[in-house]
Amino acid sequence: DQQVKQNSPSLSVQEGRISILNCDYTNSMFDYFLWYKKYPAEGPTFLISISSIKDKNEDGRFTVFLNKSAKHLSLHIVPSQPGDSAVYFCAANNYNTDKLIFGTGTRLQVFP
Amino acid sequence: GAGVSQSPSNKVTEKGKDVELRCDPISGHTALYWYRQSLGQGLEFLIYFQGNSAPDKSGLPSDRFSAERTGGSVSTLTIQRTQQEDSAVYLCASSRGDPPGNTIYFGEGSWLTVV
Repeated sequence: DQQVKQNSPSLSVQEGRISILNCDYTNSMFDYFLWYKKYPAEGPTFLISISSIKDKNEDGRFTVFLNKSAKHLSLHIVPSQPGDSAVYFCAANNYNTDKLIFGTGTRLQVFP
Repeated sequence: GAGVSQSPSNKVTEKGKDVELRCDPISGHTALYWYRQSLGQGLEFLIYFQGNSAPDKSGLPSDRFSAERTGGSVSTLTIQRTQQEDSAVYLCASSRGDPPGNTIYFGEGSWLTVV
């Protein structure tokens, strides 16, 4: 039972354009969502998060949008840079635990 | 140390052997997690320790897998009678353990290859 789903295994975007990575979840008890970025041969690193009381959180080039009714969130990167090329994981948890459930990841490639 | 430390970074073992993977969490973090990522797959939850509470072992794939955390700090993940499907990168993470909104921090992983 995949509670957090990233249906696009890969995405290719030109440098300077917007990258949009999507994530869907099934558990309505989730109330905190995070995005992690992973380079090859490294551990995932925290990127940005959002609480269920908000529908948008912005940090520099990165913005996360949350649509609770659709159980959907997205990560926007603008402008995209070649250094953003990595695998992006969506993760979720609920108030009572900080056990994170991760999606399967989306590999982003930003080309010049 | 400043970050989550894992050892060994790489391990090649023969099928049927036991392996131990070690994790040193960030100092002061009460929550510790083990995840694994098999080739081409996402991050699979294995086990979660929080303070003195009983660990959440719901993600352990079989009884060949076990983990312990001594003194609320260092953790060891043990895989007995390894199989080729156990080949993966095993990632340890830690956090302050105060939900909600708690960010977890990962180590670099232990790459296990079973031949």
